[in-house]
Amino acid sequence: EDKVVQSPLSLVVHEGDTVTLNCSYEVTNFRSLLWYKQEKKAPTFLFMLTSSGIEKKSGRLSSILDKKELFSILNITATQTGDSAVYLCAAGGTSYGKLTFGQGTILTVHP
Amino acid sequence: DGGITQSPKYLFRKEGQNVTLSCEQNLNHDAMYWYRQDPGQGLRLIYYSQIVNDFQKGDIAEGYSVSREKKESFPLTVTSAQKNPTAFYLCATTRGTGPINYGYTFGSGTRLTVV
Repeated sequence: EDKVVQSPLSLVVHEGDTVTLNCSYEVTNFRSLLWYKQEKKAPTFLFMLTSSGIEKKSGRLSSILDKKELFSILNITATQTGDSAVYLCAAGGTSYGKLTFGQGTILTVHP
Repeated sequence: DGGITQSPKYLFRKEGQNVTLSCEQNLNHDAMYWYRQDPGQGLRLIYYSQIVNDFQKGDIAEGYSVSREKKESFPLTVTSAQKNPTAFYLCATTRGTGPINYGYTFGSGTRLTVV
């Protein structure tokens, strides 16, 4: 059975801190790993990673995939209160195209 | 604007009732998915459909039913057989060969509460 595990489940920081969110996965015929940000309702896409060791960046957010260790991290530097959200990690294989999601990490950034 | 519309945003159901959640998209995406989100459990796949008039069960299909009569529409019915239906329901779509290549686009969700 495919499985994605995120840690920590919740995190409280102050503005300006740097945070690292973790995601481990076990997916048959792994193809891609995705990160989403969910503030109120609809998750919004952050990154898709398919190649090991290549960092993807968008502003203060970055992510990297380690296919040997079956692991990904999402880094957020200089956090802002607007970064407060649930961060979802999902992994997909080639079996029939579905994504398996982790439990999510609840990030709270205090001013 | 292209997007996914889920309705209603909030839904209350009495025990023993069937209810239907709507999901409509104008993105011309081929595949559509229904996920359920519970606190601390992430998203779990209920049903998915890759073409019109065809759909498959996901990991937690018991107590749910779907139809795909049009490309744009993928309604989810929560039946009385679903013992714990209170949850947040998300509809998602993806183009082409599936989310492993393009990721999902999500609707804004429906929060269902049993009263």
